[in-house]
Amino acid sequence: GQQLNQSPQSMFIQEGEDVSMNCTSSSIFNTWLWYKQDPGEGPVLLIALYKAGELTSNGRLTAQFGITRKDSFLNISASIPSDVGIYFCAGRGSNFGNEKLTFGTGTRLTIIP
Amino acid sequence: DSGVTQTPKHLITATGQRVTLRCSPRSGDLSVYWYQQSLDQGLQFLIQYYNGEERAKGNILERFSAQQFPDLHSELNLSSLELGDSALYFCASSPSGSALYEQYFGPGTRLTVT
Repeated sequence: GQQLNQSPQSMFIQEGEDVSMNCTSSSIFNTWLWYKQDPGEGPVLLIALYKAGELTSNGRLTAQFGITRKDSFLNISASIPSDVGIYFCAGRGSNFGNEKLTFGTGTRLTIIP
Repeated sequence: DSGVTQTPKHLITATGQRVTLRCSPRSGDLSVYWYQQSLDQGLQFLIQYYNGEERAKGNILERFSAQQFPDLHSELNLSSLELGDSALYFCASSPSGSALYEQYFGPGTRLTVT
């Protein structure tokens, strides 16, 4: 099945550092979403973006909907231990009957002591 | 806690068997989505139901089927199981079938086929 290209695949950072990850697609999406998944748990919605160029924040998290509608970025500032996990981007079309999410390949974030 | 519940949490079964996974959506949500997450394929959309009717189909095998009941809970039936069906199966729900509402995921069912 289709997947979005997400990079980097993994990140090893120190507590307090800022993090950036991105997601690209060959297709246009009308909505971009960012989820975080902890081991053995379901994905948890972090941020939703609905308009090209939109910049949205949720605490220390900031995400942007790319102008081309084919990409999105997530930044985490001043990382803390609970930020550890796998981050997924997801894109969605807006046509009736097309609410399914297409997920990225994930970015695994590890904080080095 | 997303409000979406899934049972069982873990399931171990043998090849050739049939299993049923259950999902209860958040209170008031009419739409249920099923996703499969395996190590080599990531999260893949399987099927969506809206208010009891199938709305969209993704990469769902013919051996798999789903339904949504009048009380809005949903079941995913997997039959003639193969080793490759081992994966995490997630259910998500949203208030309607509209793209304006976001999907919230349950904790998943881990299926192991031996």
